[in-house]
Amino acid sequence: SAVISQKPSRDICQRGTSLTIQCQVDSQVTMMFWYRQQPGQSLTLIATANQGSEATYESGFVIDKFPISRPNLTFSTLTVSNMSPEDSSIYLCSSTGFVTDTQYFGPGTRLTVL
Amino acid sequence: GQNIDQPTEMTATEGAIVQINCTYQTSGFNGLFWYQQHAGEAPTFLSYNVLDGLEEKGRFSSFLSRSKGYSYLLLKELQMKDSASYLCAVRDQTSGTYKYIFGTGTRLKVLA
Repeated sequence: SAVISQKPSRDICQRGTSLTIQCQVDSQVTMMFWYRQQPGQSLTLIATANQGSEATYESGFVIDKFPISRPNLTFSTLTVSNMSPEDSSIYLCSSTGFVTDTQYFGPGTRLTVL
Repeated sequence: GQNIDQPTEMTATEGAIVQINCTYQTSGFNGLFWYQQHAGEAPTFLSYNVLDGLEEKGRFSSFLSRSKGYSYLLLKELQMKDSASYLCAVRDQTSGTYKYIFGTGTRLKVLA
């Protein structure tokens, strides 16, 4: 299985600022995804990070608020822009590999917006 | 539309067997996954079904019926460390790409 790391692991931010979360996979993967998980809730897919092209966003999520980059097969970033307290959540990246379609998760980034 | 349902909470006793059900409706079904998530941690992969039937992995088994849109996760010989949330996820494939849709999750409490 792929080993996935995320930075930062947690952060406390002020309203109106932006935070970029990095996701690094230790091997080349096909798909990378970004999820949000609010306290006590399940995972909600934000977008699929496409290598070399614009991300595919789910209903309710837009590029201006959550710009995503994926410059290569092992790295992606998610930016949470113009943050408000409602953005306080855990943000998780995940990937599926070339050999297996099983999805593995990074450890998550716990974001608190004051 | 897409819809995945699981019970919100379940309680069972150490050493017992528990079955967590998941029903789904999706247009481009391409596999069903079960994940375990302990509080404050990321989900970890448990099992995967793409064809009908039972998949067994040690104390954990997962069953799928595609015609009924139904799966269950069976946990045997429950241990205290099995107290966690269990997430059912459907891989949905449309237009040549796929994504994973998660159910609401089932919080399992194992009692001594």
